[in-house]
Amino acid sequence: DAGVIQSPRHEVTEMGQEVTLRCKPISGHDYLFWYRQTMMRGLELLIYFNNNVPIDDSGMPEDRFSAKMPNASFSTLKIQPSEPRDSAVYFCASTTGGLGNIQYFGAGTRLSVL
Amino acid sequence: KNEVEQSPQNLTAQEGEFITINCSYSVGISALHWLQQHPGGGIVSLFMLSSGKKKHGRLIATINIQEKHSSLHITASHPRDSAVYICAAISGGGADGLTFGKGTHLIIQP
Repeated sequence: DAGVIQSPRHEVTEMGQEVTLRCKPISGHDYLFWYRQTMMRGLELLIYFNNNVPIDDSGMPEDRFSAKMPNASFSTLKIQPSEPRDSAVYFCASTTGGLGNIQYFGAGTRLSVL
Repeated sequence: KNEVEQSPQNLTAQEGEFITINCSYSVGISALHWLQQHPGGGIVSLFMLSSGKKKHGRLIATINIQEKHSSLHITASHPRDSAVYICAAISGGGADGLTFGKGTHLIIQP
């Protein structure tokens, strides 16, 4: 298995632009998580899905952030409009059975908003 | 919300030394997750613990539920163990129930 695949690996954009981050979970995993990591705040859980349904989005910082999972093999995290404070590394992870199980992380997308 | 504290924040040791990284939390949990983040940024799950001890190779993780404390030990440390080690406390089913520590930056010198 190729593991969790995220794209792009790096994204540089200007303030106000729309940014879309993509994630392909491991086949057969029924949970998908989106995390953000910054120097100031460390790792934070933004949202997670179970069987393609958003279960908890309480970690999403504001309405500019949205996430979708149209099918079991694809999820997107969108920021519109982007702001410099959104600069961070965004990780996607997947697992079976929920938060209490080992998660498999993608390599992350490093986002820089200028 | 759970308060998760890791110690030390930074640790430099010589190859071969026994390493201990600590994680304390303030609210009762259902599980504790240890993660390793490599210098290149990739994250690997090491252990998920709800009680007792788990071992994988040179890594050992323990948890004391009553004392709200977990430790990660590395025996016969090696420069390739150099990484940031992060613990995460899971105290509920939602995003609010997952709290990360700030991480311990470990450097093993040859």
